Amino acid sequence: AQSVAQPEDQVNVAEGNPLTVKCTYSVSGNPYLFWYVQYPNRGLQFLLKYITGDNLVKGSYGFEAEFNKSQTSFHLKKPSALVSDSALYFCAVRAPYSGAGSYQLTFGKGTKLSVIP
Amino acid sequence: DAGVIQSPRHEVTEMGQEVTLRCKPISGHDYLFWYRQTMMRGLELLIYFNNNVPIDDSGMPEDRFSAKMPNASFSTLKIQPSEPRDSAVYFCASRRNQGGELFFGEGSRLTVL
Repeated sequence: AQSVAQPEDQVNVAEGNPLTVKCTYSVSGNPYLFWYVQYPNRGLQFLLKYITGDNLVKGSYGFEAEFNKSQTSFHLKKPSALVSDSALYFCAVRAPYSGAGSYQLTFGKGTKLSVIP
Repeated sequence: DAGVIQSPRHEVTEMGQEVTLRCKPISGHDYLFWYRQTMMRGLELLIYFNNNVPIDDSGMPEDRFSAKMPNASFSTLKIQPSEPRDSAVYFCASRRNQGGELFFGEGSRLTVL
């Protein structure tokens, strides 16, 4: 079974400081990894994904994530946080395709990011 | 493209009533997913379809829940009868292909009194 852990329910960071939102995963085979962001009363929006290739993935709004296979981690990062980055962030994992019915994404519980002015 | 469209955005009903939530996926997307989000349980996959065929409904909580996808542009999630513990935000999402990302609708917030 695949799983995702986001160890921090909440992360607080000052505006302009770098931010990190942590994610570790468990899956059979090479993982497909995703980050989504959810603003209040909105649906989830795709930020970035890792499927193969460079371990450092760049996404929307200046976010990036680093895939670390040995640590089974996929932490989300941004060099300089903005107040508008305050939202709920979800990490998700999926196993590689192995036949019909194998496309389920498993989401973490979410991490609330608060950027303080 | 208009994105994934869900209706209604908000629904307040009384226990025992039937609730129908609707979803129009993005045109050309082959996969459609229904999720439920609550504070206690986070985001749960209820059911998903591929080319209008239900593939995995193991996340549907009980027989009171049913979902259909009569064509490529429309899906419904029905709860009958509804109970207060069904109160949640229900999301529909669609995806084009195997490796693609999910596109979510804005959600339907259900409150069962």
